[in-house]
Amino acid sequence: ETGVTQSPTHLIKTRGQQVTLRCSSQSGHNTVSWYQQALGQGPQFIFQYYREEENGRGNFPPRFSGLQFPNYSSELNVNALELDDSALYLCASSLGVSPTGELFFGEGSRLTVL
Amino acid sequence: QQPVQSPQAVILREGEDAVINCSSSKALYSVHWYRQKHGEAPVFLMILLKGGEQKGHEKISASFNEKKQQSSLYLTASQLSYSGTYFCGTPLGAGNNRKLIWGLGTSLAVNP
Repeated sequence: ETGVTQSPTHLIKTRGQQVTLRCSSQSGHNTVSWYQQALGQGPQFIFQYYREEENGRGNFPPRFSGLQFPNYSSELNVNALELDDSALYLCASSLGVSPTGELFFGEGSRLTVL
Repeated sequence: QQPVQSPQAVILREGEDAVINCSSSKALYSVHWYRQKHGEAPVFLMILLKGGEQKGHEKISASFNEKKQQSSLYLTASQLSYSGTYFCGTPLGAGNNRKLIWGLGTSLAVNP
């Protein structure tokens, strides 16, 4: 176990709805990254939060947004859901922003959009 | 910009060896390797840094060829527990906007 927990583990939404996914980082880690993993694909970087500020973003539209709280836990919000948003959403915590250290992943939230 | 992994899939018998490759069209400063079992989170295997430094904690070895912009992961005397999908990740961007870009993965199945 990595100490990173995500909730919910599974959820089903319909097109146009909004969803919030949550991530508790490993104790002592100040950075959380979010990834989208479609079936059979590698993780795609969505964005990263460091000390409550967005710090790096991948090629995702603005309807993907996030927050990091003072305890370094984080939320991923997706508005106006589309069918292609169906995927496993992974969060990973780490110490520091530069990807030279180990990422600790949660088990993910599997989102299905109908 | 996405690293290219090969092969896409490997099937082994327990005890056999395998090599998984990761190539990039960009200059590599580090390569990260993770393994993901079905329905589970990716788990860290190793980081290889420019200059030859390695950080890892599994009995899996790897090489990093900066000139060829390639890394290889060596799985020797494979065990059933090695089954899973192996991903390599390479950093892209500069400064605080650096992020890991992942390959599509190599599926490894180890059979008894």
